[in-house]
Amino acid sequence: DGGITQSPKYLFRKEGQNVTLSCEQNLNHDAMYWYRQDPGQGLRLIYYSQIVNDFQKGDIAEGYSVSREKKESFPLTVTSAQKNPTAFYLCASSTFHLGEQETQYFGPGTRLLVL
Amino acid sequence: SQQGEEDPQALSIQEGENATMNCSYKTSINNLQWYRQNSGRGLVHLILIRSNEREKHSGRLRVTLDTSKKSSSLLITASRAADTASYFCATDAWGSTLGRLYFGRGTQLTVWP
Repeated sequence: DGGITQSPKYLFRKEGQNVTLSCEQNLNHDAMYWYRQDPGQGLRLIYYSQIVNDFQKGDIAEGYSVSREKKESFPLTVTSAQKNPTAFYLCASSTFHLGEQETQYFGPGTRLLVL
Repeated sequence: SQQGEEDPQALSIQEGENATMNCSYKTSINNLQWYRQNSGRGLVHLILIRSNEREKHSGRLRVTLDTSKKSSSLLITASRAADTASYFCATDAWGSTLGRLYFGRGTQLTVWP
C-alpha cells in the first residue's frame, strides 16, 4: 500500500523543548516538502528537499530544521527558537517531469500544540 | 508574491447546484493544480492543467485556464454534501525555483443537503 505517512497525529510541546515530526514515503519520490497551515490560511512552505542529502529553505524556515539522510524519510524538528509553533504541519512528496513540478501527495498531517 | 489567490473565500450552496471557484496568479506558469482538503486532513490532488491547455475534465470537475488573464476556474457540477471541503489552487511558476508549488489561501465550500 503506497503512500505518505506522518506521525504522531497530535504532538504537545513544552516551552523550550525541541520536537521532531516524522514523515515517511514509499512512493519512490525524489522530492519531499514540509508545510505549515494556520487556521483559515493556505499552506506556507517551511523546507523542501529535491534529493537525498540536500534541502532548501522555504518561506518560513526560521525556528525549524530538517534532514534528508534517506530517500524515504524527511523529519522536521521544531526548535525552541520557533516562538509560535502551534499549527497543522503537512508533509508532501512528488516527482518532476521535463522540469515541471508534478502532483504532490500529502500525508494526513500532525497537529502541534504548545502546553 | 507568486501565490495564487482563490475567490470567493467561502461559498455556500445547496446539493445539486454547481459550484465555481476562481484562482488568480501573478507570474507565468508551467502548470496549475487544484487540491481539496477535508477538515483536519491532508490535501488531495484533484486535477493538473498545463500552461498549453485551456480546459480539462475529470468526472464532475471542470477546470479552465486563461493564461492571458492569469486565472483559472474550478467548476464542480451537481454538488453533493460530500463535496464540502476547502479547495486550493497551486502554481508551478515558470522560472521560479525548481521543485515547489505556490498555494493560495483556499475557498471553503459548504454544500447543504
